[in-house]
Amino acid sequence: DSGVTQTPKHLITATGQRVTLRCSPRSGDLSVYWYQQSLDQGLQFLIHYYNGEERAKGNILERFSAQQFPDLHSELNLSSLELGDSALYFCASSPRGREEGRTEAFFGQGTRLTVV
Amino acid sequence: GQNIDQPTEMTATEGAIVQINCTYQTSGFNGLFWYQQHAGEAPTFLSYNVLDGLEEKGRFSSFLSRSKGYSYLLLKELQMKDSASYLCAVRDLMDSSYKLIFGSGTRLLVRP
Repeated sequence: DSGVTQTPKHLITATGQRVTLRCSPRSGDLSVYWYQQSLDQGLQFLIHYYNGEERAKGNILERFSAQQFPDLHSELNLSSLELGDSALYFCASSPRGREEGRTEAFFGQGTRLTVV
Repeated sequence: GQNIDQPTEMTATEGAIVQINCTYQTSGFNGLFWYQQHAGEAPTFLSYNVLDGLEEKGRFSSFLSRSKGYSYLLLKELQMKDSASYLCAVRDLMDSSYKLIFGSGTRLLVRP
């Protein structure tokens, strides 16, 4: 158990709908990273939040948005869903400050999104 | 930008040794990571290199050459449970973020 919690584990929804994925980082970690993994693909970096502020953006679609709340949990919002958005969505957290540069990121178990 | 290359698939025999290579190009290199990922599961951390040389951890070793933009993961005494994808990732500090950029992964099949 990495200590990173993601809910829900599975989500099935129709095209055009909107969903929210939730991530709670490890206790004490300030950073949350979101990744998308399509079938048989690598992990694509979406977005990074640090202590409530957006720090970096990857190849995140305009239909997707994220935020990090004062209690440090994060939500990834996916709207106007398309079939191609079906994927595993992982979040990861890492320690604060200088420790972040010396340690690995810890991944949650992921949310499997299926768009039908 | 960043570019990370690793072989798509490899096959090896139980008890043998396998080396998975990774080459990368990045502007703000701040370390190279290897993760293991079983199908449908979360990636789990295997190793981290930030300086040139070999890091050994039990049956797993990882090597880094920063001047060549090259790393490898060495798995010894292969076991059936080592069948998984192995992800090479570079920490890139281009925009003050410690994000990891991943290669597409190498699917390793261990045969009896």
